[in-house]
Amino acid sequence: AQSVTQPDIHITVSEGASLELRCNYSYGATPYLFWYVQSPGQGLQLLLKYFSGDTLVQGIKGFEAEFKRSQSSFNLRKPSVHWSDAAEYFCAVEDFGNEKLTFGTGTRLTIIP
Amino acid sequence: DAMVIQNPRYQVTQFGKPVTLSCSQTLNHNVMYWYQQKSSQAPKLLFHYYDKDFNNEADTPDNFQSRRPNTSFCFLDIRSPGLGDAAMYLCATSRGVEVAEQFFGPGTRLTVL
Repeated sequence: AQSVTQPDIHITVSEGASLELRCNYSYGATPYLFWYVQSPGQGLQLLLKYFSGDTLVQGIKGFEAEFKRSQSSFNLRKPSVHWSDAAEYFCAVEDFGNEKLTFGTGTRLTIIP
Repeated sequence: DAMVIQNPRYQVTQFGKPVTLSCSQTLNHNVMYWYQQKSSQAPKLLFHYYDKDFNNEADTPDNFQSRRPNTSFCFLDIRSPGLGDAAMYLCATSRGVEVAEQFFGPGTRLTVL
């Protein structure tokens, strides 16, 4: 069965600093990977997705992620964080054809001034 | 704007008193999902509809039921809420074609007294 691991439960960074959130997956075939963000009390918003092609994908709000098959990773990055980026971030993988997402446990991001 | 709408945003019910949560979408998507999300956890899929075909997750309690009377609407019924059912309930939709991203509503926060 496929699984997603987000090893960092909570990360704190200073405003303006760079950010990298880690995501590792376990899946036999080509994975379809997503990053979602959830602000407190809100639903999930899609940041970016990887289906195929270029392994570096750009998303909204200045985020990007790189798919590395050799490391089974899909890490999320942002060069300079803003206070409004404070939220919970979920990595997810979809199994082709079964319409269902498997989520990681999430990483809570705190921004300090 | 096309979107996923959930009503109400906050719902308070009493232990054992049936409650219904509502989700509607203007995206004309084939698939609608219901997730349960408890504090600091990833969303947990309860069930989903592909058009009118209902798909229940194996570990979804019988206490949870769902209806999809048409493409636009989907309801979550909790027949006898327990204290452990207090959570955020998220509705999502997707096109259901090959691999498709899911679009989430803002969620309904359920409190059980």
